[in-house]
Amino acid sequence: AQTVTQSQPEMSVQEAETVTLSCTYDTSESDYYLFWYKQPPSRQMILVIRQEAYKQQNATENRFSVNFQKAAKSFSLKISDSQLGDAAMYFCAYRSAGNTGKLIFGQGTTLQVKP
Amino acid sequence: ETGVTQTPRHLVMGMTNKKSLKCEQHLGHNAMYWYKQSAKKPLELMFVYNFKEQTENNSVPSRFSPECPNSSHLFLHLHTLQPEDSALYLCASSPWTGTKNTGELFFGEGSRLTVL
Repeated sequence: AQTVTQSQPEMSVQEAETVTLSCTYDTSESDYYLFWYKQPPSRQMILVIRQEAYKQQNATENRFSVNFQKAAKSFSLKISDSQLGDAAMYFCAYRSAGNTGKLIFGQGTTLQVKP
Repeated sequence: ETGVTQTPRHLVMGMTNKKSLKCEQHLGHNAMYWYKQSAKKPLELMFVYNFKEQTENNSVPSRFSPECPNSSHLFLHLHTLQPEDSALYLCASSPWTGTKNTGELFFGEGSRLTVL
């Protein structure tokens, strides 16, 4: 069975600085997708960024980028120029390339942004 | 109205009550999901429906009963719950997932359930 581990329950960053959130996963599959989701205090979870395992290039979305290391089964999220609105819980998630759409989530990392 | 809408946002019930959570999506998706979010634990997948058919039941106790009358609506019927069932219940939807579809989920804001 696949598992996702986020080893940092809480992180903090100074506004305008850069922070990296860690995620590791375990799978025997070769084709899958990885996601980072953000859950602000209002609770609605939104997608931040996604990565297809068959792509070697790391995904980037504005200030958000990932470091995808397939061999090491590592998928970290880097947030550059942190803003107060980035404060939230961040979840790493894994999905097999099958048809069920089932996501497996990590435990989450709460990010605090200090002004 | 767009996105995924969940009602009620908050629910308090006794262990002998029967209540239902409702989820509606306006995104034209064909898959819908129930997740349970408890403090200090990863999100737990409960049920998955594709085209109204249940494709996943993640060993959920029978006191939780899902219903999916069409691809836009999903219910979670609750009866004889336990205090440990208190949690945030999240509904999500996604496009029909094929081998080249990332199948990303779109979430509602959740229903906060408290069982007394």
